[in-house]
Amino acid sequence: DQQVKQNSPSLSVQEGRISILNCDYTNSMFDYFLWYKKYPAEGPTFLISISSIKDKNEDGRFTVFLNKSAKHLSLHIVPSQPGDSAVYFCAARDSQGNLIFGKGTKLSVKP
Amino acid sequence: DTGVSQDPRHKITKRGQNVTFRCDPISEHNRLYWYRQTLGQGPEFLTYFQNEAQLEKSRLLSDRFSAERPKGSFSTLEIQRTEQGDSAMYLCASSLEEVRNTEAFFGQGTRLTVV
Repeated sequence: DQQVKQNSPSLSVQEGRISILNCDYTNSMFDYFLWYKKYPAEGPTFLISISSIKDKNEDGRFTVFLNKSAKHLSLHIVPSQPGDSAVYFCAARDSQGNLIFGKGTKLSVKP
Repeated sequence: DTGVSQDPRHKITKRGQNVTFRCDPISEHNRLYWYRQTLGQGPEFLTYFQNEAQLEKSRLLSDRFSAERPKGSFSTLEIQRTEQGDSAMYLCASSLEEVRNTEAFFGQGTRLTVV
C-alpha cells in the first residue's frame, strides 16, 4: 500500500498562471517532506522541503503547504514558466531517514 | 565536488548476465541510498548505507542484488543473472545524516536495459 500518493498523473497549466501539485500521505510519523523535480534521463533534483512543525515554506516562486490534520501537502508554483515542465515527486522521510516517494505528477506549462 | 556521480549512465545487457553499477556520493556525505525507478513510478527504495554499514534492505532487493560500500565512500550495486524485469533506472543518492532534516542529493542514474 502506497504511503505517499500523488493522485494526479499529469497537470497542464498556462504560462504565468499558478501550478498546484498535490500529495497525500498515510503515515502520521512522517516528519519531513520534500519535493523533487525530474527531467527525462536525469536524476531527481531537490526543490523545496518542509518540516512537520511548519505549515508553510516559501522559496521564490515555490511554496509548499502542509496540512498535518489532513495528511496533505501541496506545491504551488507561481508564476509558472515553460522551464518548470517536468515530473514532480513528493517524498516523505520515514523514521529510518529514508525517503518514500509518490508516483509523480507530470507538469506541462504551455507558453 | 560536482555532486553525486553514477557510472555508467546506460547499460544494455543480455538476460542472465551480471552487471555492476558504481556510485560516488558527495564526499562529506555519510549516508548513501540506492533507489530503482520504473516507468510511471516514483523512485523505490532498495537499500542504504551509513558509512560502510548497510543498515536496511528493501524486500525489492532479491538475492540476486548485492550492494557494497567497502570504505564508506563509493558504492557498487551488482545484479546477478539479470532478468528483463530488472530493466529500470537505478538511482543513487547521498545525504549528511548529522543534519536530520536535510535533503538527499541524487545522481543522474544508470539506465539498465535487459534484452
